[in-house]
Amino acid sequence: GENVEQHPSTLSVQEGDSAVIKCTYSDSASNYFPWYKQELGKRPQLIIDIRSNVGEKKDQRIAVTLNKTAKHFSLHITETQPEDSAVYFCAAPSGGYQKVTFGTGTKLQVIP
Amino acid sequence: EAGVTQSPTHLIKTRGQQATLRCSPISGHTSVYWYQQALGLGLQFLLWYDEGEERNRGNFPPRFSGRQFPNYSSELNVNALELEDSALYLCASSLALGWTGGQPQHFGDGTRLSIL
Repeated sequence: GENVEQHPSTLSVQEGDSAVIKCTYSDSASNYFPWYKQELGKRPQLIIDIRSNVGEKKDQRIAVTLNKTAKHFSLHITETQPEDSAVYFCAAPSGGYQKVTFGTGTKLQVIP
Repeated sequence: EAGVTQSPTHLIKTRGQQATLRCSPISGHTSVYWYQQALGLGLQFLLWYDEGEERNRGNFPPRFSGRQFPNYSSELNVNALELEDSALYLCASSLALGWTGGQPQHFGDGTRLSIL
């Protein structure tokens, strides 16, 4: 199978709190996992990615963790700010890297 | 460095017509991907071109087709347009072989296709 499941579909947090979005994938050969942020009316933008040779990667307030055994990876945003409000998509390659499957997206709302 | 550029920004067609969407990748990128994003929904993979060849296509009917030119720009053609084809069509580019080498995709602003 080539499914990528993403949860939750919507997430509301208070400004300053943390947000966690989780994705699970089915293709065990996948080894590259990016996260994209899409603000309303704008293009998806790559915010962080991780390869399977590491378990965690951080970039300021954003971090991604990967559990290859369980086939899931998560996006962590700390000290959330209103400008973090957007739709976030995870993605994973599948089908021998011949295809990209995106998660269904998580709409994050940061309440000031 | 210029990003991925798409044209036109908006395109209005009627049922049964044909639409052509264009994409210019980032300089140095040889892979071009096309996605359909219906309103409020996720990204559905359409086509992947690399070095002028179609590498893979998603679960879309044959009336969705495209090509990649020697300068790596690409066209997406949609024939016999249907109402449900109304969506934002996003193009992305990456370095050679895309995901195989863990290369991220960079997106354009998209073409909003509306079918009346």
